[in-house]
Amino acid sequence: DAGVIQSPRHEVTEMGQEVTLRCKPISGHDYLFWYRQTMMRGLELLIYFNNNVPIDDSGMPEDRFSAKMPNASFSTLKIQPSEPRDSAVYFCASSLDRDGYTFGSGTRLTVV
Amino acid sequence: AQTVTQSQPEMSVQEAETVTLSCTYDTSESDYYLFWYKQPPSRQMILVIRQEAYKQQNATENRFSVNFQKAAKSFSLKISDSQLGDAAMYFCAYRRGVDKIIFGKGTRLHILP
Repeated sequence: DAGVIQSPRHEVTEMGQEVTLRCKPISGHDYLFWYRQTMMRGLELLIYFNNNVPIDDSGMPEDRFSAKMPNASFSTLKIQPSEPRDSAVYFCASSLDRDGYTFGSGTRLTVV
Repeated sequence: AQTVTQSQPEMSVQEAETVTLSCTYDTSESDYYLFWYKQPPSRQMILVIRQEAYKQQNATENRFSVNFQKAAKSFSLKISDSQLGDAAMYFCAYRRGVDKIIFGKGTRLHILP
């Protein structure tokens, strides 16, 4: 298995632009998580899905953020419009039931 | 609410020596899982070791072992024979059943040659 695949690995965009981050979880995993990592706040859970259904989106900072999981093999995290304070590393992770997560390599987002 | 506390922001250890990273957590649950993750400079998050709360035996993975004290809500990580490749940020983490994982703030480990 190729693991959790995230794209792009790096993204630089201008303030106000729309940004879409993509994630392909490990086949067969029924949980998918989106985290954001910054120096100041550490790892923050944004949202997670179980069997493609959003379970907890209380960590999504504001309406500018949205996440979808149209099928078991694909998820997106969208920021529209982006702001400089959204600059961070965004991780996608998947797991099977109670196991630990397998993380993707992360997307480093820079909003200028 | 569950919390995970890592009281050592940074630690250093001489190559080939043993080092222990501390972690405490707060929960009222009896069924949960604890993890240690490693994040090297490449930023990849790597699962190092996993412990089920119902198991009394401490988990071990090669040079990595844990000291799980359920009553004290303590979960420390011991790295034996430290190697340069062990230099990384280490995160202690807690998961209640199939719920989300809660991470500590991390401990940065330096390996001195």
